[in-house]
Amino acid sequence: QKEVEQNSGPLSVPEGAIASLNCTYSDRGSQSFFWYRQYSGKSPELIMFIYSNGDKEDGRFTAQLNKASQYVSLLIRDSQPSDSATYLCAVNPPGGYQKVTFGTGTKLQVIP
Amino acid sequence: DVKVTQSSRYLVKRTGEKVFLECVQDMDHENMFWYRQDPGLGLRLIYFSYDVKMKEKGDIPEGYSVSREKKERFSLILESASTNQTSMYLCASHGTLNTEAFFGQGTRLTVV
Repeated sequence: QKEVEQNSGPLSVPEGAIASLNCTYSDRGSQSFFWYRQYSGKSPELIMFIYSNGDKEDGRFTAQLNKASQYVSLLIRDSQPSDSATYLCAVNPPGGYQKVTFGTGTKLQVIP
Repeated sequence: DVKVTQSSRYLVKRTGEKVFLECVQDMDHENMFWYRQDPGLGLRLIYFSYDVKMKEKGDIPEGYSVSREKKERFSLILESASTNQTSMYLCASHGTLNTEAFFGQGTRLTVV
């Protein structure tokens, strides 16, 4: 089992809809969870992080964390064509030197 | 403005050459990482370093080595480049308390 798993997509949503991106992780003791956005040919950039169970909202983005079920999700409301990118989930497992593990990413396409 | 800088954006090398990829960060981060990114495989960790002169193998260290003589600089070395090392290489860094990772612009290496 991979440490961090994501559906590779592509996930296609119409403009204005809600895009829902999901991620599961294997290490139950993981503490920190991140969502990165990567445009084609560019480097990943952080858009959200979450540490506690529940929802965290930032503008059109909401991160949801459920530690009991070991999943973290990202909701994008009012999706725009400019949101079309690959979204990487990253998890910081406990202990060690805080090495962050990335999922393979979900490609999102927002259709105008 | 925080910055992670990689020495080259594009690089073409011949099979068997020794290749050096340099990464410099100006955020006084303890942790630095080298990843390679290939289509469908996501970000794969090659090596990471949590302190000067310290290094740890990641998931795919074979064929690579690293050097960290100064806190701000982390070098990736391909001892004898091979065509299967053609890839996008990404350097990243983050602190100890805040594990938001900052990425360099990437180096697209082609080995011919």
